[in-house]
Amino acid sequence: EDKVVQSPLSLVVHEGDTVTLNCSYEVTNFRSLLWYKQEKKAPTFLFMLTSSGIEKKSGRLSSILDKKELFSILNITATQTGDSAIYLCAVKYNFNKFYFGSGTKLNVKP
Amino acid sequence: NAGVTQTPKFRVLKTGQSMTLLCAQDMNHEYMYWYRQDPGMGLRLIHYSVGEGTTAKGEVPDGYNVSRLKKQNFLLGLESAAPSQTSVYFCASTPSGGLSYNEQFFGPGTRLTVL
Repeated sequence: EDKVVQSPLSLVVHEGDTVTLNCSYEVTNFRSLLWYKQEKKAPTFLFMLTSSGIEKKSGRLSSILDKKELFSILNITATQTGDSAIYLCAVKYNFNKFYFGSGTKLNVKP
Repeated sequence: NAGVTQTPKFRVLKTGQSMTLLCAQDMNHEYMYWYRQDPGMGLRLIHYSVGEGTTAKGEVPDGYNVSRLKKQNFLLGLESAAPSQTSVYFCASTPSGGLSYNEQFFGPGTRLTVL
């Protein structure tokens, strides 16, 4: 059975901390893995990963994919209160379908 | 360029009532999707469409129907609403090619409560 599992389910940190969010997957016909940030409304796109070992970076956020071990991590350094959100991992499979994990809820305290 | 829009934003139904949610996109995307999001469960695919006139079932299709009569619109119908369908519904679209073909563009969501 296909699945995408994110951990931890929730996380509370203080501003300035570094966090690592995990996403493991078992999905047939994997195409790519995507990370989204969801604040109060719709998810917004962060990264798309297709190749193992190549880090994607945007400011304080970075992500990497391991296609052998079937997981990805999302790192956030020097966290800010504006990073508080639900972070969703999704796997694109088959022709154009997406399977989402349940998300990690991050709360950054001042 | 409005992107993906959803109508209505909020709705309260009584058990057994019917309604239709409308999703519209102005990006000429081929693929469109309906998801529901419940607390602690991420996004689950209800139905999707790979082009005008075609639809297919996702993970949780029971109790819902869809239609894609025009490329820019994707309708989600509930024929007889049940409390278990209380959720936030998101529509998304994806192009079939180009630089963004792996990315989903989401609408703002519709919060539906069934009493």
